[in-house]
Amino acid sequence: DQQVKQNSPSLSVQEGRISILNCDYTNSMFDYFLWYKKYPAEGPTFLISISSIKDKNEDGRFTVFLNKSAKHLSLHIVPSQPGDSAVYFCAARETGANNLFFGTGTRLTVIP
Amino acid sequence: GAGVSQTPSNKVTEKGKYVELRCDPISGHTALYWYRQSLGQGPEFLIYFQGTGAADDSGLPNDRFFAVRPEGSVSTLKIQRTERGDSAVYLCASSSRVAGELFFGEGSRLTVL
Repeated sequence: DQQVKQNSPSLSVQEGRISILNCDYTNSMFDYFLWYKKYPAEGPTFLISISSIKDKNEDGRFTVFLNKSAKHLSLHIVPSQPGDSAVYFCAARETGANNLFFGTGTRLTVIP
Repeated sequence: GAGVSQTPSNKVTEKGKYVELRCDPISGHTALYWYRQSLGQGPEFLIYFQGTGAADDSGLPNDRFFAVRPEGSVSTLKIQRTERGDSAVYLCASSSRVAGELFFGEGSRLTVL
């Protein structure tokens, strides 16, 4: 059973516009959420995270929003750049646990 | 290098054969993880080491899979009697602290014919 879900397998956005990637989860024990970015033939790289005690975390062009009541988080990238084209994975961790649960990923294409 | 190193990058084997995949974590990182990513899926947790011991091996799919980290640094994932369903990218990650940010290697792509 997939505990972290990314229902959009792909997203295309024009350069300079906002990219919004969505993620839903089912496990109420998750207390820490992360976004990873993956280029072809490379391992995932950490992008941004948020603790369940917050509802927003911002780092430059990247902002993650968390809605605990809806068990939903989103990653906003603004302005989007062609170099942002990659697969983005949402991940979550349970309280006290060490392993991460990953979604299936969303392939973002930023069109120049 | 400074990052997590995994070898081989690609491995093609026949059904029933034995395979070893190696992970060299970032120097000084005590936590080491193995994940498996099948086509169209996200990484799936296999096993976690803190130091030399396997602190959590709940993700290993069956007893054909085994991993060791004898000196608390390099780890080897061992797969016996490989099956076609084992074909995937096997990712290794390390972290400097428990529940810290994971740094992933490029992965070892295993193809079982």
